[in-house]
Amino acid sequence: GAVVSQHPSRVICKSGTSVKIECRSLDFQATTMFWYRQFPKQSLMLMATSNEGSKATYEQGVEKDKFLINHASLTLSTLTVTSAHPEDSSFYICSARDLGASGTGEQYFGPGTRLTVT
Amino acid sequence: AQKVTQAQTEISVVEKEDVTLDCVYETRDTTYYLFWYKQPPSGELVFLIRRNSFDEQNEISGRYSWNFQKSTSSFNFTITASQVVDSAVYFCALTFYGGATNKLIFGTGTLLAVQP
Repeated sequence: GAVVSQHPSRVICKSGTSVKIECRSLDFQATTMFWYRQFPKQSLMLMATSNEGSKATYEQGVEKDKFLINHASLTLSTLTVTSAHPEDSSFYICSARDLGASGTGEQYFGPGTRLTVT
Repeated sequence: AQKVTQAQTEISVVEKEDVTLDCVYETRDTTYYLFWYKQPPSGELVFLIRRNSFDEQNEISGRYSWNFQKSTSSFNFTITASQVVDSAVYFCALTFYGGATNKLIFGTGTLLAVQP
C-alpha cells in the first residue's frame, strides 16, 4: 500500500517550452501533496505544499507563476514548469500524505522526475 | 526554528565494516517526528524509520539500528556489517506533530560508499 507514482520519469524539453509532471497516489487519498526539487548532490528543497481544491502554498523564493501547481482531486497533483530554461533542469519529487496519517507527519514519496532543459 | 544537521557529507567504508551516520536536530516543539530515508542512485526515496519524540527506545531492524537521544538532540543511524548495496545517500528528517500540512525538514544528507 501507500504507493505514489510520477509521470514522466524523465523528460527532455527545449528552452521556452512548458512541461507538466503528474503525481498520483495510487491506493490512498491525499488531501496534501508536496513538491520538492533536488539538485545534484544536494538535499531536497520543498517548493510548495498542495492542498486538494485550494491554491498551493509556495515556499519563499519559489516563483508561483513559473511553477504552476494544481491539485484537482484527492489522488492527483500536477506541477507545470512554464517557459522552462536550462537552470530549471533538476530532479523533481512529489510526496503525498495519507488522510489517515495526518498526525504522524509521514509522507509517501514518488520515484521522481528528471527534467532536462536544452 | 527547526533544523537538521548531518555533519558527515561523505563516508567511505569497506564491506563488512560498521558505520554510523550522525543526525542532530533542533526544534522548539515538544512533540515531533524524526525520519531516516535512503536514496539510492536511482533517486527514489526509501523510507527506513519514523520515531516520535516520546519514544526514546533504540530500534533494531536487521543490520540497521537507530539511537535516539533527546538529551543531545541526536538520532543516529548505524549499519552493521555494511554491504555494497547499502551505498546511497541517507537523509535524516524532522517534522512537528499534528496538522496535515506540516513539512518535513531534511538534513543535507550523507553519501555512504561501501567498497567491496
